[in-house]
Amino acid sequence: AQRVTQPEKLLSVFKGAPVELKCNYSYSGSPELFWYVQYSRQRLQLLLRHISRESIKGFTADLNKGETSFHLKKPFAQEEDSAMYYCALSYGNNRLAFGKGNQVVVIP
Amino acid sequence: GAGVSQSPRYKVAKRGQDVALRCDPISGHVSLFWYQQALGQGPEFLTYFQNEAQLDKSGLPSDRFFAERPEGSVSTLKIQRTQQEDSAVYLCASSLPRSASGEQYFGPGTRLTVT
Repeated sequence: AQRVTQPEKLLSVFKGAPVELKCNYSYSGSPELFWYVQYSRQRLQLLLRHISRESIKGFTADLNKGETSFHLKKPFAQEEDSAMYYCALSYGNNRLAFGKGNQVVVIP
Repeated sequence: GAGVSQSPRYKVAKRGQDVALRCDPISGHVSLFWYQQALGQGPEFLTYFQNEAQLDKSGLPSDRFFAERPEGSVSTLKIQRTQQEDSAVYLCASSLPRSASGEQYFGPGTRLTVT
């Protein structure tokens, strides 16, 4: 069965410091991984997907099939990055399996 | 245009009552998903529609949960004889069919509290 694990629940970082959110997955098929973000009082929205290999708002994530990981990184955190971040795995008919999420707080 | 909308935004039900939660997907999106998000958890898949066809209901936790999308647009999630463990945020999402991007567009959710 598919599973997504995000080990840290709360991550506090100072503005300008690097951010790394860990995500590990288990899935027997070919994985499609995403990071979704939820800012305060806003709805859940896509941040980035591994297929496009893009950088969004300074964030990048690389799929490592050997380590079954899809960690999210940003070299310099900004206050507007404070949000809830969910790693998600797409399986069968585009259903999403989410991790429990990481609350990121950027301290000014 | 407008994004996915859900109503009501908040619902308080007494244990044993039936509730109906509505989702209006983005126009033209044939795929529609329902998720349940308990406090402190990530969203969990409940059911999936492609147009009016319910292709997967494997995530529905019990036979008290029922979803429909009769005309392939608006969807309703119904919970009969609500229990306290049903308290959660219910999220609806829509997408293009087998979207190459895999992106799902989420509504604001309905927060259900069962007392």
